[in-house]
Amino acid sequence: EPEVTQTPSHQVTQMGQEVILRCVPISNHLYFYWYRQILGQKVEFLVSFYNNEISEKSEIFDDQFSVERPDGSNFTLKIRSTKLEDSAMYFCASSVGTANSPLHFGNGTRLTVT
Amino acid sequence: QKEVEQDPGPLSVPEGAIVSLNCTYSNSAFQYFMWYRQYSRKGPELLMYTYSSGNKEDGRFTAQVDKSSKYISLFIRDSQPSDSATYLCAMTLGGTGTALIFGKGTTLSVSS
Repeated sequence: EPEVTQTPSHQVTQMGQEVILRCVPISNHLYFYWYRQILGQKVEFLVSFYNNEISEKSEIFDDQFSVERPDGSNFTLKIRSTKLEDSAMYFCASSVGTANSPLHFGNGTRLTVT
Repeated sequence: QKEVEQDPGPLSVPEGAIVSLNCTYSNSAFQYFMWYRQYSRKGPELLMYTYSSGNKEDGRFTAQVDKSSKYISLFIRDSQPSDSATYLCAMTLGGTGTALIFGKGTTLSVSS
């Protein structure tokens, strides 16, 4: 069964450094998403992306965050200057794009900011 | 008031038990309701997807939505040790690309 693939599984970075998290969504999906889960807390929406532009974003998704679909298969989340509080699991998801089609999640990238 | 509330548990049951998991929510505009299962160190996996009020059954799983009470439930019949996981409820206003709002998750342990 097709799946969403995320790399790396674990990323350690120093505070203030830029980090790029990578995702390969399911091939025929058109909507792409990033969510995050701080340890012990809820899964939180960051951003949705369609047709090469942001569809919706949360208040968490400030100027430090950006997303890009650099080619036909990858979807990336960049954090420009990481903070300690950015430490979390980051989940990529994709959906077919028909009305309210369900999201399929990857297994996440654990980001640790030291 | 928090948008989606879910008792985090943990909930421990013996194999074969019927499990009831619940969420309440405050925003009456939510239209689509989902249950995800999350194993340790894995991403959420979609279990059930329901539009508006009513019941939906899939094998051992039944999802119920009561919009008048702002209450959703997931029932697991004949629970198995492999059902041990964290169960997340999620809901959305609707519209492709709109945010899913998650509950905190209930951790379930099924003992053999």
